[in-house]
Amino acid sequence: GAGVSQSPRYKVAKRGQDVALRCDPISGHVSLFWYQQALGQGPEFLTYFQNEAQLDKSGLPSDRFFAERPEGSVSTLKIQRTQQEDSAVYLCASSLSRANSNQPQHFGDGTRLSIL
Amino acid sequence: DAKTTQPNSMESNEEEPVHLPCNHSTISGTDYIHWYRQLPSQGPEYVIHGLTSNVNNRMASLAIAEDRKSSTLILHRATLRDAAVYYCILRGPQGGSEKLVFGKGTKLTVNP
Repeated sequence: GAGVSQSPRYKVAKRGQDVALRCDPISGHVSLFWYQQALGQGPEFLTYFQNEAQLDKSGLPSDRFFAERPEGSVSTLKIQRTQQEDSAVYLCASSLSRANSNQPQHFGDGTRLSIL
Repeated sequence: DAKTTQPNSMESNEEEPVHLPCNHSTISGTDYIHWYRQLPSQGPEYVIHGLTSNVNNRMASLAIAEDRKSSTLILHRATLRDAAVYYCILRGPQGGSEKLVFGKGTKLTVNP
């Protein structure tokens, strides 16, 4: 079946521009996560949704980062007034439910964001 | 979040077994041990998880020490496609946000 889909695959923006990154989770998956991965590092947690509720946004690095999942399926990560340090791969993951924390997370292939 | 320690890199030959170690000396009694791997230019992929007993699936085996302070991911016959970064992650059963806490992982190189 279809996995987690992220778009665009690559995004280049000038410093100061706003960007929006999209994630289509696996159909029926309740939980959705965003991670940021810098070059040579492991992914770092940004935020977590259970259905449409954003239950944890402790990893968002600044108030320029905003995520939403209004209907409990597709999610968008928005970065306002981008800075060069925002350049990274942004990964989205989904999992079936929260009931069992050992549900595996299924990742998309990410959006590679480059800020010039 | 409990911390894990893995070697930065390991090398193997194709069709030979690979043992990837992970130390987690501060593991709590309710933490599960999860392994993910990340192939180049792809997102991480779930491999296996366990609590106390050794676990096997189609991808790999997980051997957990009796004191649970270390574990080993075993690839029985490495292929070129197994070249990836392997992450060992601890997850509690009632984790607040279910997030995964990644370290730097072990970069596995498979030689033909």
